[in-house]
Amino acid sequence: GAVVSQHPSWVICKSGTSVKIECRSLDFQATTMFWYRQFPKQSLMLMATSNEGSKATYEQGVEKDKFLINHASLTLSTLTVTSAHPEDSSFYICSGRAGGQETQYFGPGTRLLVL
Amino acid sequence: GENVEQHPSTLSVQEGDSAVIKCTYSDSASNYFPWYKQELGKGPQLIIDIRSNVGEKKDQRIAVTLNKTAKHFSLHITETQPEDSAVYFCAASGLSGGYNKLIFGAGTRLAVHP
Repeated sequence: GAVVSQHPSWVICKSGTSVKIECRSLDFQATTMFWYRQFPKQSLMLMATSNEGSKATYEQGVEKDKFLINHASLTLSTLTVTSAHPEDSSFYICSGRAGGQETQYFGPGTRLLVL
Repeated sequence: GENVEQHPSTLSVQEGDSAVIKCTYSDSASNYFPWYKQELGKGPQLIIDIRSNVGEKKDQRIAVTLNKTAKHFSLHITETQPEDSAVYFCAASGLSGGYNKLIFGAGTRLAVHP
């Protein structure tokens, strides 16, 4: 299957700072990338969908000014959590989907802890 | 919009037994149904998927069945092994806001005991 990487795998930051998470498709071109958030023992919650070169589409209830998404190339998308607060602590997972395909391939996730 | 329900939430089996996880969906327009396995602290891994023009698909010990009329699909794992222990998520494709996206079930925590 296709491979998606995320960096960093875990990050600890102070409240009020910003954190950037990178998502890369290593062996395919991800026309569309998705960002999810997962709390312990819960399902994946879609935060936003981004198409290469376009603005991201955010799900209801997700603040676009707080979770900045950039999808500048077919292999890279970034999620920046701005002015992070302890309630933003979670497991963030990205996925990539090639053009014309339905299958989403997920990255390994990034665990964020905001102190 | 699409809604996916998944049962059971937890499943405990003995090694060698079969495990079955069931999902129902609400949007009859959904046409793609993947299953993901998520191990602790890792991202979900696609294990099998099925499209609406197929009723059943098998890959070694894993099989998925789809009943479009009843709008439900199931994951079958035979000859379970301890390494099958994980959380399994079903999903259905759905169109929302002009984008095709996956709607996930709540997950099933499978424990396979030696």
